[in-house]
Amino acid sequence: SQQGEEDPQALSIQEGENATMNCSYKTSINNLQWYRQNSGRGLVHLILIRSNEREKHSGRLRVTLDTSKKSSSLLITASRAADTASYFCATDPISSGNTGKLIFGQGTTLQVKP
Amino acid sequence: EADIYQTPRYLVIGTGKKITLECSQTMGHDKMYWYQQDPGMELHLIHYSYGVNSTEKGDLSSESTVSRIRTEHFPLTLESARPSHTSQYLCASSESGRNEKLFFGSGTQLSVL
Repeated sequence: SQQGEEDPQALSIQEGENATMNCSYKTSINNLQWYRQNSGRGLVHLILIRSNEREKHSGRLRVTLDTSKKSSSLLITASRAADTASYFCATDPISSGNTGKLIFGQGTTLQVKP
Repeated sequence: EADIYQTPRYLVIGTGKKITLECSQTMGHDKMYWYQQDPGMELHLIHYSYGVNSTEKGDLSSESTVSRIRTEHFPLTLESARPSHTSQYLCASSESGRNEKLFFGSGTQLSVL
């Protein structure tokens, strides 16, 4: 793949459980972002973590970044049926300069069963 | 919700037709992007623009072309559509300066028969 690889590719959990998705990348980055995509729709930005940050929280979302391992994880706590969607990580490579050209992973499809 | 709009949402056309996918944003963003996405796959950048009269090809080769005559408008054109062009096309924009998040439109699902 280009830059990001995500695992698992698909995840199915019960409502109320936590969901963890992982992303690995290959080159040095300015930041890493997570997006959500409902079926057949555009992407919605969830959270951005910069290369000098290790952890970030936003509501029920927790993102970690380990630049030494070139990996990130997204944790959704107390999942809801409405969290059912595909989740993509996207990296902003240092080599891209100030272009804003993100490189997206293949995504994790999350199904939350009521 | 982001103020970036794409039309049409769905388009089914025959081979050889010329089409234009529209994308407009009202946020005054200088940077705009077109991504192509096949079902269940990652997004591939096909075009981007830093501002008016600035367009460049992305990492994925595409037979489409774009123009940026106005800040808010970034249309994508296919001169002669083929079945291999069947895909979802996503338009996005972001603020100038330091790289921040992208705002996406709802996408155009194109099917070429």
